[in-house]
Amino acid sequence: DAGITQSPRHKVTETGTPVTLRCHQTENHRYMYWYRQDPGHGLRLIHYSYGVKDTDKGEVSDGYSVSRSKTEDFLLTLESATSSQTSVYFCAISESVVAGGRRETQYFGPGTRLLVL
Amino acid sequence: QKEVEQNSGPLSVPEGAIASLNCTYSDRVSQSFFWYRQYSGKSPELIMSIYSNGDKEDGRFTAQLNKASQYVSLLIRDSQPSDSATYLCAVNNAGGTSYGKLTFGQGTILTVHP
Repeated sequence: DAGITQSPRHKVTETGTPVTLRCHQTENHRYMYWYRQDPGHGLRLIHYSYGVKDTDKGEVSDGYSVSRSKTEDFLLTLESATSSQTSVYFCAISESVVAGGRRETQYFGPGTRLLVL
Repeated sequence: QKEVEQNSGPLSVPEGAIASLNCTYSDRVSQSFFWYRQYSGKSPELIMSIYSNGDKEDGRFTAQLNKASQYVSLLIRDSQPSDSATYLCAVNNAGGTSYGKLTFGQGTILTVHP
């Protein structure tokens, strides 16, 4: 998994509870991404980071926040979990983006299965 | 219209046959195209990337890109049961400052039967 770990790997929580998922990389890559994967929707980008303290929203960011205080860690927080956030969450990293957006191959972590009851 | 669409599948082919997976995209300025393979319960793994029109071959895999038709495909020759997985097409949203954001298709489930 290209030096990417995610924790926890599985989590069951209750509606209204805050939840934080962690992505840790040992590759020193600049770019990090959080996706969720749901049947019928494929992989959808939640948030991404293009450097320490530099983050931006993806297509399904409502209800999620992120932080990146170190190159190696990218945290995804569900401030108040809802059942609609039950999903598999994947972190991804990429090394570089050159002019025109090329060379942005992304490598994925093992995923976190989250169940919100 | 979805930004990235894949043939819905599931696709079933016999062992040794050629599996053909197709993907169309809507954003004409897209520049980078990727195929990922995802086994059940696992994370996506990159198998091919392609940036220029034409064919790119890597072992049993061939990616084909036609930017004029906004079409990218993946051929798997001599399909093996171990190729059974979901195949995801991913497209770079746009050039310039996209920070490498990718848009994924829904995926096509491929089953290779002995």
